[in-house]
Amino acid sequence: GEDVEQSLFLSVREGDSSVINCTYTDSSSTYLYWYKQEPGAGLQLLTYIFSNMDMKQDQRLTVLLNKKDKHLSLRIADTQTGDSAIYFCAESIDGANNLFFGTGTRLTVIP
Amino acid sequence: DGGITQSPKYLFRKEGQNVTLSCEQNLNHDAMYWYRQDPGQGLRLIYYSQIVNDFQKGDIAEGYSVSREKKESFPLTVTSAQKNPTAFYLCASASQGLGEQYFGPGTRLTVT
Repeated sequence: GEDVEQSLFLSVREGDSSVINCTYTDSSSTYLYWYKQEPGAGLQLLTYIFSNMDMKQDQRLTVLLNKKDKHLSLRIADTQTGDSAIYFCAESIDGANNLFFGTGTRLTVIP
Repeated sequence: DGGITQSPKYLFRKEGQNVTLSCEQNLNHDAMYWYRQDPGQGLRLIYYSQIVNDFQKGDIAEGYSVSREKKESFPLTVTSAQKNPTAFYLCASASQGLGEQYFGPGTRLTVT
């Protein structure tokens, strides 16, 4: 079955880069997503990458995909206190809507 | 404004009572989803519906029920059979053919 893993916690200093990692097991993943969840709120889609890409950049966010190792990462440049949140990676294997989520990584930005 | 809403934001119930959580979307999305979130466990899928009048069980459907009588609405009932109902419940919707899901703000249910 599908299994998406993330480390639970990450702390960085304001202004540094953050790198949040995710591993998945299903090699037939078609899309991979990063969502952000602020305290007590729903999830907000940050970015996504097609499985035939290896990198996508969107302002301060860079997504890297290593299909061989089934490893996905989200890099946040110049991390701000407003970036403190839980970040979830998710995979879609059927090209439709069913997503499998990781456990989430809680990012804490230290001023 | 287009979006997905859940109500109420906080809900308190006594053990043994059924409770229904509301989820409404005006995004014209065909698919809707219910997830449960517990600390350190990520999101677990309870039920989903790809089209009106049809729905499927997710990974943890026991003790829950849903209906999908209208495209806009996908209410979730937490029954007394659910052994550990206290959790944060998230509803999401998606357009057919696109993978991204849009989430509501969530309902925190506390059962004592």
